[in-house]
This record gives sequence, structure tokens and C-alpha cells, in this order.
Amino acid sequence: DAGVTQSPTHLIKTRGQQVTLRCSPKSGHDTVSWYQQALGQGPQFIFQYYEEEERQRGNFPDRFSGHQFPNYSSELNVNALLLGDSALYLCASSQGRGNQPQHFGDGTRLSIL
Amino acid sequence: EDQVTQSPEALRLQEGESSSLNCSYTVSGLRGLFWYRQDPGKGPEFLFTLYSAGEEKEKERLKATLTKKESFLHITAPKPEDSATYLCAAGSSASKIIFGSGTRLSIRP
Repeated sequence: DAGVTQSPTHLIKTRGQQVTLRCSPKSGHDTVSWYQQALGQGPQFIFQYYEEEERQRGNFPDRFSGHQFPNYSSELNVNALLLGDSALYLCASSQGRGNQPQHFGDGTRLSIL
Repeated sequence: EDQVTQSPEALRLQEGESSSLNCSYTVSGLRGLFWYRQDPGKGPEFLFTLYSAGEEKEKERLKATLTKKESFLHITAPKPEDSATYLCAAGSSASKIIFGSGTRLSIRP
């Protein structure tokens, strides 16, 4: 049973560029959430997708956007990258809406030069 | 404002030395308190969910408990393989999950 998979594992970009990160949820899960984790900190909630719509959003600017596809996989897009966007980006999946236990992927390490 | 605070930030124990990690939360309408383990370079691994005050869950050397303001993760006779960062997260009535900054646990053989 495949867990949550994310791609790529590492990415290096420069300021001002745009990036797309991808996530496939655990089998049987239909809800995908994205988090940003800075070094030494806990994950910060970006947004959650369910039934192909953004259902909840954390305190992140509009430069952060996403999409969920009919097969429940998801993308996170970040435009106009800033140095402060360097972090580990985690995808988590769960079953149904609400506060269900989430299963995490191993993340994409994004470095901005 | 919803907030989750974990203490201590770091904890070093000798193998076999039992201790507890603390998670204090201020969340509007708690809809679940979650504990995760995170190893370096990996995503968080789900451990427990607690929903109501007085509830307890156990798994091997770990036991999680919940009160109306705090949760504790008790580690009994830890082994070096228990070394990791332990994260606490609270689910709010707005269906958001708020994480604490974690406790880095190191167990010396």
C-alpha cells in the first residue's frame, strides 16, 4: 500500500521564479493538505483541498496556490519566489473533511538562491 | 488566536530514563489532539489522536494523555531508537490543524 508520495525531493530556484510541487495521496484518501516547515519549526498550514476545491487556508499570501485533480493528487504552486520561501514543503492526506489523522509524505526541500 | 506550545524544546535522556513531553494548546473548539514523530529528513509519522479530556492512548513505550488545556506524551524506559522530534498538533473547529514547534528527544545508550 503506497503512502503519500511527493516530487521532486529537492529543488533549487532563484528569486522571482515560479515552482510547482506535486503530491499523490495515500490510497483511499481524498483530502490533501499542504504545509511549509522551516528548519527547527513545526509545519505551518498552507491550505487544504477536498473535492477539487480549496476548503481551508492558512496565513499565506496569494503567491501560494494549488490544485487538486479528479484522482485526488495535488499540486502546490508558488510564484515570485522569495528567499524566505526556502523550506521543506510537506503534503499530507486524510480521508474526508474535518480533523482526521493525516499521513505525510517526506516532503520537497526547496532552496531559493 | 489558536496556538500550540511544546516544552521542552530539547530533551536528552539516558536509555531507560522515563520522562514526559508537554503540549499546551489554546484552540477554539478542539477537534482532536494529534501526536507525530519526525525523523531527520522525513515527514511526520502519525502516532496518536485524542479527542476528549481524560482519554489515553498507548503504543509500545509511548502513552499520550489529554486534559482540557494540555497533552502529555509519556515515554517509559526509552531506547536510542526513540530519538526523534515529537510534534503535537491541535485541530480547531475551523478544520485547521495547528502544529507546535516540537520537542527534540535524544536517548543516549
